[in-house]
Amino acid sequence: DAGITQSPRHKVTETGTPVTLRCHQTENHRYMYWYRQDPGHGLRLIHYSYGVKDTDKGEVSDGYSVSRSKTEDFLLTLESATSSQTSVYFCAIRSGTGFMNTEAFFGQGTRLTVV
Amino acid sequence: AQKVTQAQTEISVVEKEDVTLDCVYETRDTTYYLFWYKQPPSGELVFLIRRNSFDEQNEISGRYSWNFQKSTSSFNFTITASQVVDSAVYFCALKGSSGSRLTFGEGTQLTVNP
Repeated sequence: DAGITQSPRHKVTETGTPVTLRCHQTENHRYMYWYRQDPGHGLRLIHYSYGVKDTDKGEVSDGYSVSRSKTEDFLLTLESATSSQTSVYFCAIRSGTGFMNTEAFFGQGTRLTVV
Repeated sequence: AQKVTQAQTEISVVEKEDVTLDCVYETRDTTYYLFWYKQPPSGELVFLIRRNSFDEQNEISGRYSWNFQKSTSSFNFTITASQVVDSAVYFCALKGSSGSRLTFGEGTQLTVNP
């Protein structure tokens, strides 16, 4: 257990509304990531953070924004939700030290449905 | 560019059979990391193993074993004496030293029947 909590675990929202997903970690990890999981695509990186207020885009970042104002929280916002953003969202943290410092642990996932 | 291929979309075995899940990867990095994750029906992603590219020793953990072969760019996962609780989707993943993200394969759905 890497001390990662995602909220909410399930959400249904309407097209065009903003949605924010939260990832909370308790172990002071510097790096945090948001992935989405879709059938036929495995997991794809949306955004990641390498420190407070330091974020960068992943491979599927369009339509998403992130914020990290505290080490423990990494927020993912869908600015105007679309049906194509219906997915399961996973937060991950980077663990290990030195050469082994690479992400390995995921949160429980958030199932988001956009109707 | 990085790529992970899990050619087996679905595998079905009977309990106590041994099963091997294949993973083939592509990367230009000379230093990289390979992972296996298990995703049971409950949906969470469970970390199983992480290996470095400079360590080709095979690893065994209980009924699980991993065969890492750089020459064939493969990192296969074997479950010995499979059990119903092993039923899950298994993902292989790769992270190069020059990249910022994990690249996942599409997963293999393993069903172990009693």
